[in-house]
Amino acid sequence: DADVTQTPRNRITKTGKRIMLECSQTKGHDRMYWYRQDPGLGLRLIYYSFDVKDINKGEISDGYSVSRQAQAKFSLSLESAIPNQTALYFCATSDPSVGAGNTIYFGEGSWLTVV
Amino acid sequence: SQQGEEDPQALSIQEGENATMNCSYKTSINNLQWYRQNSGRGLVHLILIRSNEREKHSGRLRVTLDTSKKSSSLLITASRAADTASYFCATAISGGGADGLTFGKGTHLIIQP
Repeated sequence: DADVTQTPRNRITKTGKRIMLECSQTKGHDRMYWYRQDPGLGLRLIYYSFDVKDINKGEISDGYSVSRQAQAKFSLSLESAIPNQTALYFCATSDPSVGAGNTIYFGEGSWLTVV
Repeated sequence: SQQGEEDPQALSIQEGENATMNCSYKTSINNLQWYRQNSGRGLVHLILIRSNEREKHSGRLRVTLDTSKKSSSLLITASRAADTASYFCATAISGGGADGLTFGKGTHLIIQP
């Protein structure tokens, strides 16, 4: 089983609809992230969380919200989806210990298409 | 904003040849990491090099770091078709927190059989 699991893996939704992407991890890491990937733009950070009570905005948080339900669960919501939110979304965790150097572990991604 | 920039954006070589890709960054770093992404899949960590290291090896991978030039290179020796993927460098900025790991836009490597 994957250490970082994202659901759904693929979703097509209509403009204006609310959509939630869910993420769960079994690595026991406190730090979790949501990234967005667009062709030619690399990865951009949407939100990150140090622990259940700590949520922080990333580079492109507008139009998104998150919920850290437990150490192992971090969900991303698009309150009112728009077509330019069509992208590949990644959940990730990291180990900030000195030895690991904040190595990031990614899920397999969720393809979201907004029509 | 993106700290690391990979070069070239795309690279196509014959199987068996060596592939070299470069990464430049702007600010002081704690470490630099390389990741691989197969098409449409999640990124996978390949190797980490710390700011006080100059070279590191892992199997067919060789990474160098030149902090004076703020650059790193990833060499894949004896390339295989399975090495076809996008490769990203990520820098952990000195003093950075959870958002201190910043990714470049990637080099798309194609290994021709």
